[in-house]
Amino acid sequence: AQTVTQSQPEMSVQEAETVTLSCTYDTSESDYYLFWYKQPPSRQMILVIRQEAYKQQNATENRFSVNFQKAAKSFSLKISDSQLGDAAMYFCAYSWGSNYKLTFGKGTLLTVNP
Amino acid sequence: EAGVAQSPRYKIIEKRQSVAFWCNPISGHATLYWYQQILGQGPKLLIQFQNNGVVDDSQLPKDRFSAERLKGVDSTLKIQPAKLEDSAVYLCASSSGLARGNIQYFGAGTRLSVL
Repeated sequence: AQTVTQSQPEMSVQEAETVTLSCTYDTSESDYYLFWYKQPPSRQMILVIRQEAYKQQNATENRFSVNFQKAAKSFSLKISDSQLGDAAMYFCAYSWGSNYKLTFGKGTLLTVNP
Repeated sequence: EAGVAQSPRYKIIEKRQSVAFWCNPISGHATLYWYQQILGQGPKLLIQFQNNGVVDDSQLPKDRFSAERLKGVDSTLKIQPAKLEDSAVYLCASSSGLARGNIQYFGAGTRLSVL
């Protein structure tokens, strides 16, 4: 079974500092995608970043970057220069199967302190 | 470009009543998804459409849930009769097609409370 585990239910960070959110997954596939989605209180899920398993280079999007360790099945998200607007639930997700459906973790609630 | 539209935003019903949710995906997106998100958990896929055909409904409780996507555009998810455990946020998402790595774009969801 494809599972995604986020071991940190809650995290907090001071504004302008860096925080890392953890994610591990279980799969027997070799070709897949991983995603981080952000869900603010408005409930709309927004894509933060995605990573293709075949690419060894870690994906980056402005202040957001990932540390993808394929052998360890680990996919952590680093947020640099944290801003108040980064406060949200963050979900790690894995895309798999012939119809590429997403399996989500339980999420990490990030609080940004001014 | 308009995003995924969902309505209503909130719905409160009593158990055993019926309820319907509506979703209009991003224009041109062939794939449409309905997810159930129970408080404190990540979204769980209920059903996936490719155009107007069902691709995956393995986790849809078919004795009470139904969904359709007539004409391959907007979609309706129905619950009849509702149970207390159906209280959740129902999210609709769409993507341009079935391809590895395709981004799913989400609507704001409908929060359902069953009393």
